[in-house]
Amino acid sequence: QKEVEQNSGPLSVPEGAIASLNCTYSDRGSQSFFWYRQYSGKSPELIMSIYSNGDKEDGRFTAQLNKASQYVSLLIRDSQPSDSATYLCAVAAGGYQKVTFGIGTKLQVIP
Amino acid sequence: NAGVTQTPKFQVLKTGQSMTLQCAQDMNHNSMYWYRQDPGMGLRLIYYSASEGTTDKGEVPNGYNVSRLNKREFSLRLESAAPSQTSVYFCASSESGGMGTDTQYFGPGTRLTVL
Repeated sequence: QKEVEQNSGPLSVPEGAIASLNCTYSDRGSQSFFWYRQYSGKSPELIMSIYSNGDKEDGRFTAQLNKASQYVSLLIRDSQPSDSATYLCAVAAGGYQKVTFGIGTKLQVIP
Repeated sequence: NAGVTQTPKFQVLKTGQSMTLQCAQDMNHNSMYWYRQDPGMGLRLIYYSASEGTTDKGEVPNGYNVSRLNKREFSLRLESAAPSQTSVYFCASSESGGMGTDTQYFGPGTRLTVL
């Protein structure tokens, strides 16, 4: 069983809409949660990190964490065509511990 | 400040050949990592080095060896390449001094094809 689950998509949303990306994880000891964006042919780049239950906002991006439900999500408001990419959810126990990545959700923002 | 650099960017090998992928970071990070990324499989950890002088196996270590040369450099060696090792290889580093310092920063990747 994959430790970090994501729907591979593609998730298609119209420009200006809210894109909602979801991720579940199996290790209840996980402490660190990350969302990375990866454009085709490029390396992953960090969008958000979140460590506490609740919401964390950064510009158009909001990460949501619910440790009781073992669920983390990423909302992208006012989606733009430039947001079209694969979004990787990553989970870690903290420190230098192994980070486990999901397979990523491909997002397509339609102009 | 270049961040994480990797060489080469592209490589084609024949089955049985050997090669070393180089990685360096200039962020004074303690921890470094090697991943491979294959379609439908996501990023899988090959080896990691929590600190200078230590290395540990990840999820898919077979067929690979690593060397943490110093704090900046972490190399990945394929001793006898196989077609199953065709993949994109990413090096990453993190500060790893505790919570909030475990974000990993990735290099540009090496695209390896084994014929």
